[in-house]
Amino acid sequence: EVQLVESGGGLVQPGRSLRLSCAASGFTFDDYAMHWVRQAPGRGLEWVSGISWNSVNIGYVDSVKGRFTISRDNAKNSLYLQMNNLRAEDTALYYCAKDMWGELTATKDYWGQGTLVTVSS
Amino acid sequence: QSALTQPASVSGSPGQSITISCTGTSSDVGSYNVVSWYQQHPGKVPKLIIYGGSKRPSGVSNRFSGSKSGNTASLTISGLQAEDEADYYCFSYAGAGTFVLFGGGTKLTVL
Repeated sequence: EVQLVESGGGLVQPGRSLRLSCAASGFTFDDYAMHWVRQAPGRGLEWVSGISWNSVNIGYVDSVKGRFTISRDNAKNSLYLQMNNLRAEDTALYYCAKDMWGELTATKDYWGQGTLVTVSS
Repeated sequence: QSALTQPASVSGSPGQSITISCTGTSSDVGSYNVVSWYQQHPGKVPKLIIYGGSKRPSGVSNRFSGSKSGNTASLTISGLQAEDEADYYCFSYAGAGTFVLFGGGTKLTVL
């Protein structure tokens, strides 16, 4: 059974940093691309970032470029999102999601339950 | 970067069919057959219901179908049921560099 478990969310002040993690199990992690997708309270889904199976291809939504860094450790079956210089508008539930393919295709077949990030002073 | 356009809301009566559009450009939806659709009930995790423009994952009802014409992808739900009331989102591959575009979501109300 595919499982994606996010952690690392919490309350953080504007301008500070936070690192999200996603522990994957139930599939061959290093065969698939992975994504972070967020959802602000009462708002729609927003793709944040994605990384191919071998970390060669990486993409970000414009609003987080230069502030967020996605990475993965295939030996640890883990996905990460380093978030720096956080802003109030980054407040959201952050989902970890598995792509159906090794390269980034925007097709996410499994999702975690999410971890909540709240940016507030 | 919510570059795909979806209607904010659609509605239909039980048994009817509805279609939700997802409009991009010739650089994304028009160039690639990699549009995916997700259903999200309130407070729940999104669920993949269509991928590759028209393919259904195992376990998804055949009442859900996807298609594409030009720069617009569409999700059709036939034989509407009360349980279909949810938010629906489209995502598309957009080529190297941009990689992923997404729509703003459509709220389906079953009257």
